[in-house]
Amino acid sequence: DSGVTQTPKHLITATGQRVTLRCSPRSGDLSVYWYQQSLDQGLQFLIQYYNGEERAKGNILERFSAQQFPDLHSELNLSSLELGDSALYFCASSAEGVRGQPQHFGDGTRLSIL
Amino acid sequence: GQQVMQIPQYQHVQEGEDFTTYCNSSTTLSNIQWYKQRPGGHPVFLIQLVKSGEVKKQKRLTFQFGEAKKNSSLHITATQTTDVGTYFCAGSPGGGADGLTFGKGTHLIIQP
Repeated sequence: DSGVTQTPKHLITATGQRVTLRCSPRSGDLSVYWYQQSLDQGLQFLIQYYNGEERAKGNILERFSAQQFPDLHSELNLSSLELGDSALYFCASSAEGVRGQPQHFGDGTRLSIL
Repeated sequence: GQQVMQIPQYQHVQEGEDFTTYCNSSTTLSNIQWYKQRPGGHPVFLIQLVKSGEVKKQKRLTFQFGEAKKNSSLHITATQTTDVGTYFCAGSPGGGADGLTFGKGTHLIIQP
């Protein structure tokens, strides 16, 4: 058990819809990262938050947004969903916003777009 | 942007044989991390290499970081069925971003 909690585990929805994925980091971790894992693209870094502030952006689409709340949990919002958004979405956390800290991954949310 | 290439994509070995996966970055890395993902699981941190030419060992696993800090390798001696999974390297670029650039991974399949 990594200590990172992601909900829901599975999500099935239709094209054009909007969903919210939730992540609670390990106790004490200030940084939260979101990744998308698909068969063809592998693990893609989307965005990082550190102590409530956006720290770094990766390959995140404009239809996607995220935030980190004062209690350090984070939400990833995906809107105007397309078939290609079907993937496994991982949240990870690390102790500090220092480069190279080991990241601890949650079990992921599997998103299926019908 | 930074790219991290990993080969091979798949590796079939007989139990007891050795296994190596290689990782190459298009840019110099400040550090490299290795993760293992079991089938149906999530990536689990294995190790981090920081220094040029660094070599670290964890039991049957040996990790190396190249002198130019652009390549790395993971070698497993005498594979066991518990080694099955996908091994990812992940690099941290320069600058302030902490997000990791992952290679596409090497899927290790072990035949008993």
